[in-house]
Amino acid sequence: GAVVSQHPSWVICKSGTSVKIECRSLDFQATTMFWYRQFPKQSLMLMATSNEGSKATYEQGVEKDKFLINHASLTLSTLTVTSAHPEDSSFYICSAIRRETQYFGPGTRLLVL
Amino acid sequence: AQSVSQHNHHVILSEAASLELGCNYSYGGTVNLFWYVQYPGQHLQLLLKYFSGDPLVKGIKGFEAEFIKSKFSFNLRKPSVQWSDTAEYFCAVSPGNSGNTPLVFGKGTRLSVIA
Repeated sequence: GAVVSQHPSWVICKSGTSVKIECRSLDFQATTMFWYRQFPKQSLMLMATSNEGSKATYEQGVEKDKFLINHASLTLSTLTVTSAHPEDSSFYICSAIRRETQYFGPGTRLLVL
Repeated sequence: AQSVSQHNHHVILSEAASLELGCNYSYGGTVNLFWYVQYPGQHLQLLLKYFSGDPLVKGIKGFEAEFIKSKFSFNLRKPSVQWSDTAEYFCAVSPGNSGNTPLVFGKGTRLSVIA
């Protein structure tokens, strides 16, 4: 099956610092990856679409300068939360498409103090 | 905008009981439909999907779902649940003719199966 990994699985940081989250497709190439955010007891909300070799497409209300996305290769997309604040604390999940089906990473829990 | 409604927030069943989780979506065009499961502490896993063809879709672990276009529904069913089915279940929709578009998720239904 298609495997997607994320690193780190959890991170605690101080307010004002930046945090980078990696999303990798381990056994397939993905030109498109998605980044979602999940609040407690709520559903996943799409943040942005990451396209290899081009700029990411952000959903309305998501600040592109705050959530920097880089899709440098066909197996790696990164999400950098810049100048993180406590309200950015959340569960971030990426997915990659293989044969018209999305496969999800295990998620990264971010806690900003 | 598209939306997905899952009617049950939390369902509690005894082992061997039958399960049906409701899912309705709002989108008038062609859609692809998915059910994902998230076991405690694990990532989302695909249970089953519908793109076209037979509206009754069979997935892994004995789950099935039926697409009823007239009702905009894609309910998940299992004839006899097991304790190991305890998890969070998410219905999701991607509009269009391909599965390469982002998913719109429902809020999820937590299933607790008791012995």
